Parts: sequence; structure tokens; C-alpha cells
Amino acid sequence: GQNIDQPTEMTATEGAIVQINCTYQTSGFNGLFWYQQHAGEAPTFLSYNVLDGLEEKGRFSSFLSRSKGYSYLLLKELQMKDSASYLCAVYASGNTPLVFGKGTRLSVIA
Amino acid sequence: GAVVSQHPSRVICKSGTSVKIECRSLDFQATTMFWYRQFPKQSLMLMATSNEGSKATYEQGVEKDKFLINHASLTLSTLTVTSAHPEDSSFYICSAQQSSNTEAFFGQGTRLTVV
Repeated sequence: GQNIDQPTEMTATEGAIVQINCTYQTSGFNGLFWYQQHAGEAPTFLSYNVLDGLEEKGRFSSFLSRSKGYSYLLLKELQMKDSASYLCAVYASGNTPLVFGKGTRLSVIA
Repeated sequence: GAVVSQHPSRVICKSGTSVKIECRSLDFQATTMFWYRQFPKQSLMLMATSNEGSKATYEQGVEKDKFLINHASLTLSTLTVTSAHPEDSSFYICSAQQSSNTEAFFGQGTRLTVV
């Protein structure tokens, strides 16, 4: 089966750094995605990791360790608009749909 | 990135009626599209995989006679919620991929309210 775990909720302060972890157990692995979803809206793409290591894109970075089945999303210089749900999603194999974690609801406070 | 357009964004219908939701890939061809449902404060739940020119593949627990999926062309998939009931009220989202193992592009979502 496929299982993706991430914390349900997190709170962080404006201007700070927050790390959202994701662990996965899937029958195969062909890549991991992070999406941001604001309430009532569709998810938007943030990052894609298929090789081990850190991918940096502006204030957002994503890390992957395939041997550990582990990824994290790092958000720097938090802004109020970063309050949203962050979804970790994995491609298990081939042309299969993404398997989504339950999402982490991040609240950024002043 | 590629664009996926979903229509309508919001719909309110009476119990017992049917509602059709369209998902279009505007600037690429999508042989496969996916339909998700999301209840408040919950994650995206895959309902079905829509394959161009063939029958959709439904996830366990999703009634294929209630949620009709048609993928008649490489740029259009439709989801019809038949004989809708209040418990079908949810946020429905489609996604499409250009090819295997590439980013999934999402439609804007459809907020369905059945009264």
C-alpha cells in the first residue's frame, strides 16, 4: 500500500523559518512533489524532488532522502500569506496518479 | 506552466438533479486526467483516473454509476454527478499531466453544493 505522513498542523511566526516534514512508504518511487493549497482553492506546485538532496527556489527549499523515505519543505522569511495547507505527494510508479498526504495546515502569526 | 481549466467554479443544485463538471487542458494534450474530491479540512482523495478513449478507472468505494466520467478527447474530461444528494456537496478538483512522472497541473476546482 501507499502511506504518506506529515504533521496535521503547525504554527510559526512571521519572519521565521519553518520545516514541514514528510515521510512516505510506497510500492515504488518516481518523485516527490510539494504543493501549496489555500482554503477553497486548488493546489499550486511548489517543488519536485527525484534525486537526493536539496532543491532551492527562492524562499522555499525542498529536501529528499530516498533511502530514508523522507522529505521536508523549508520556508524562510515567513509571510502571513504563507498561511495555507502544504501537501506532500509521491509518484509511486509509471503513469500512476500522485498519492497525497493529508496535508499540513500552517498558520503564520504576527 | 501548463494550464488546466475547470468549469464551473461553483454550482448549487437541487437534490436529485445531475451536475456536469468540465476539465480542459488548454495548452497541452492529456491522455490521462485525474478527479479528486476534497471535504473541508481534509486531503485530496482520488476518485478516478480518466483515460482518453477508454473507460475510467475508479478508486475503491467510488460509485461509477453515480460519478460518470467521460474523456472524449485529449483535452477534455467531464465528471457528471448524477442524482446528487447533500452528502455529495464537496470540492471537486481535476488534474492533468503532460506525461508520466511530470508535474500534475490542477484545475481551479468546483465547489458543489446540493440543497
